[in-house]
Amino acid sequence: LAKTTQPISMDSYEGQEVNITCSHNNIATNDYITWYQQFPSQGPRFIIQGYKTKVTNEVASLFIPADRKSSTLSLPRVSLSDTAVYYCLVGDPPPSGTYKYIFGTGTRLKVLA
Amino acid sequence: NAGVTQTPKFQVLKTGQSMTLQCAQDMNHEYMSWYRQDPGMGLRLIHYSVGAGITDQGEVPNGYNVSRSTTEDFPLRLLSAAPSQTSVYFCASRRDSSNTEAFFGQGTRLTVV
Repeated sequence: LAKTTQPISMDSYEGQEVNITCSHNNIATNDYITWYQQFPSQGPRFIIQGYKTKVTNEVASLFIPADRKSSTLSLPRVSLSDTAVYYCLVGDPPPSGTYKYIFGTGTRLKVLA
Repeated sequence: NAGVTQTPKFQVLKTGQSMTLQCAQDMNHEYMSWYRQDPGMGLRLIHYSVGAGITDQGEVPNGYNVSRSTTEDFPLRLLSAAPSQTSVYFCASRRDSSNTEAFFGQGTRLTVV
């Protein structure tokens, strides 16, 4: 399983764009990159997933450079309600890959008024 | 659609007691897993299951047992509770081999005194 490294915490102000970078130097060819969001006292929630280049949905964008050794989660115009912990996961979906889903310690984002 | 349901939401145990944390999903997902989350920490994988009758160990399996007799249910058993098992426990499920999006329950907050 590829190990991921993220900043422990970040602060931002309402209305700003927030970029959280995840490093995964030993990512394998078949690995996908997935991001989750966790609010206090709740289980994590899926945000976005990608393999290469750029993926965008209604919540966020995910940028993956050509070497795939890092990825950046971009949250446009954050609000106070985006205060949460964000987890980056790297893994190979079954059946060829592992069924394990290993979380790191995540990035604690605090949005300030 | 209830998703992933965990019971109980809160539990206090005395050291040495046993109990079962319940997890049920109504999405017909093949994969289910249990995580624990200690204060200020990320999630750690305890056990997981790729289908009825099949289970395997995660990162921190000691002190916990699981079984998967049906697709819907994946109970986690603590045979002899220890204070080190005080944590918040999350159950998660994933649809199938083509999908890496996990759905989490609301968690069970367990205190062992």
